[in-house]
Amino acid sequence: EVQLVESGGGVVQPGGSLRLSCVASGFTFENYAMHWVRQVPGKGLEWVSLINGDGEKISYADSVKGRFTVSRDNSKNSLYLQMNSLRTEDTALYYCVRDYSTRWDNWFGPWGQGTLVTVSS
Amino acid sequence: DIVMTQSPDSLAVSLGERATVNCKSSQSVLHSTHNKNYLTWYQQKPGQPPKLLIYWASTRESGVPERFSGSGSGTDFTLTIGSLQAEDVAVYYCQQHYTTPLTFGQGTKVEV
Repeated sequence: EVQLVESGGGVVQPGGSLRLSCVASGFTFENYAMHWVRQVPGKGLEWVSLINGDGEKISYADSVKGRFTVSRDNSKNSLYLQMNSLRTEDTALYYCVRDYSTRWDNWFGPWGQGTLVTVSS
Repeated sequence: DIVMTQSPDSLAVSLGERATVNCKSSQSVLHSTHNKNYLTWYQQKPGQPPKLLIYWASTRESGVPERFSGSGSGTDFTLTIGSLQAEDVAVYYCQQHYTTPLTFGQGTKVEV
């Protein structure tokens, strides 16, 4: 069974930093691109970032470019999101999401349950 | 960026009746080489992450009931729930994967 478990969320002041983690199990992690998708509670979905299987290809939404850094450690089956210079508008539930297949489809298969990030003074 | 616009924002349908959700993209998501529409549909129930329903605009994901169907091409797409069941109450999102940034529609809430 595929499992994605996020951690690292919390309350942080504007301008602060957080590092989210996602531990994957139930599939060969290095064979899949991975994504971060966020959702303001009660609102819609926003794609944040993607990283391919070997970590060589990375892409970001304009809203986070230059502030967030995605990375992965395939030896630990783990995905990370380093979030710097946080703004109130970054407040959201952050989902770790596996790409659908090993082809790198850029649509979303299994999702984690999410970790909540709250940026507030 | 490709903007995805869904309509309506919400709709109420009686049990057993048909529900139709529309999704329009600001530019074509039909890939000419593959002749496939890079459009997916997701269902999100309260307190849960989204779940994949349909990919390539009309291919039902394994395990998804046959009452869910997708259609359309180019810039205009439709998700149809053929006979609404109580468990179908959810928010439905379309998403394009033609290019990054990957973008979603704003969501359509389907209620009974």
